[in-house]
Amino acid sequence: ETGVTQTPRHLVMGMTNKKSLKCEQHLGHNAMYWYKQSAKKPLELMFVYSLEERVENNSVPSRFSPECPNSSHLFLHLHTLQPEDSALYLCASSRGESYEQYFGPGTRLTVT
Amino acid sequence: KQEVTQIPAALSVPEGENLVLNCSFTDSAIYNLQWFRQDPGKGLTSLLLIQSSQREQTSGRLNASLDKSSGRSTLYIAASQPGDSATYLCAVIYRDDKIIFGKGTRLHILP
Repeated sequence: ETGVTQTPRHLVMGMTNKKSLKCEQHLGHNAMYWYKQSAKKPLELMFVYSLEERVENNSVPSRFSPECPNSSHLFLHLHTLQPEDSALYLCASSRGESYEQYFGPGTRLTVT
Repeated sequence: KQEVTQIPAALSVPEGENLVLNCSFTDSAIYNLQWFRQDPGKGLTSLLLIQSSQREQTSGRLNASLDKSSGRSTLYIAASQPGDSATYLCAVIYRDDKIIFGKGTRLHILP
């Protein structure tokens, strides 16, 4: 596989569930990102990892917990979400923090 | 407050026309600016990246310009085609690693 992949592509979960989103990049990049895209809102940056260390957390609620075990993989652990957390979650990677970003196809999350 | 604004929010033009999408930003101390397209329900595809030291970038029928002093970038699409229909997003990256996206312009090319 090439590029940035995300699994699952669609996820429906209840408010009491625990689930994880996975992102994998095959580009040799060393920075990875989680974004949230809600309807009618600009894309929001949630987390940035550079060289597997978190460098930015834009005041995201603690019910979202990122994990970056290595430079190729990024997870977003979800627990006790709210219906307003329903959105498209996009993962991206880049060669460095300020370089061109490449996006995955996203995970469409619905919280019921 | 750092903001990115894209005008217009939506645009419909006949096939074959040349068009311009606009992106403006309030803080001109940018590191670089990136244009993306997004097809419905899908992730973003990078179109062009302009470094702060550059004034424009070209890729095929696309040309993006950057004027930091006025806080503006434009994406020019030549000879539009129905396949160009998508949402076009502008993202501004700052030296403190903050990344701010505009809300996008929904483009519809009429066959």
